[in-house]
Amino acid sequence: DTGVSQDPRHKITKRGQNVTFRCDPISEHNRLYWYRQTLGQGPEFLTYFQNEAQLEKSRLLSDRFSAERPKGSFSTLEIQRTEQGDSAMYLCASSQTGGPEKLFFGSGTQLSVL
Amino acid sequence: AQKITQTQPGMFVQEKEAVTLDCTYDTSDPSYGLFWYKQPSSGEMIFLIYQGSYDQQNATEGRYSLNFQKARKSANLVISASQLGDSAMYFCAMREGISGTASKLTFGTGTRLQVTL
Repeated sequence: DTGVSQDPRHKITKRGQNVTFRCDPISEHNRLYWYRQTLGQGPEFLTYFQNEAQLEKSRLLSDRFSAERPKGSFSTLEIQRTEQGDSAMYLCASSQTGGPEKLFFGSGTQLSVL
Repeated sequence: AQKITQTQPGMFVQEKEAVTLDCTYDTSDPSYGLFWYKQPSSGEMIFLIYQGSYDQQNATEGRYSLNFQKARKSANLVISASQLGDSAMYFCAMREGISGTASKLTFGTGTRLQVTL
């Protein structure tokens, strides 16, 4: 049973560049979440999918951010025209609906915008 | 208003001793769930324990137990028989709403636990 995997683990980019992250959830999980974690803080919810449908987006997710989950499997998170304030750890999590719905997190992608 | 408060930025505990990590929460929703996650230096958030607002008994998972005091809105994590591998950041989190709603968790700022010999 493989867990949630994220790629890349680290990304360094220059301000103004576009970046894309990938998340592969646990295969039988129908929900997928993106969270962002800045230094010294807990993770903050960004968006989530149920199967391929993006059902909610946080107001933290500006127009420069877009997420997709084609075919309800893996997901990508793209940030366009990156800014230094985008530097953070981007965490992906997946879950199966029902019960207390525990989230299983990946190891995250650490983004540094120079 | 902050929904999850963890007042201990850092804690030390000796190996084999028990330690309590504090968490208070604020919600007007009668249905909610409380979670504790561990984040080692590798970055992955590891689920530890869950308590539902309607659960009658305090949750336990191995060496972890949750001291749930609903009237005081507190959900403290107790780790018994601490091990060196328990050194990590610990986050308390809350989901408002009934089971089946999305797990949009609100996290606290975390407590860094250091286990010493």
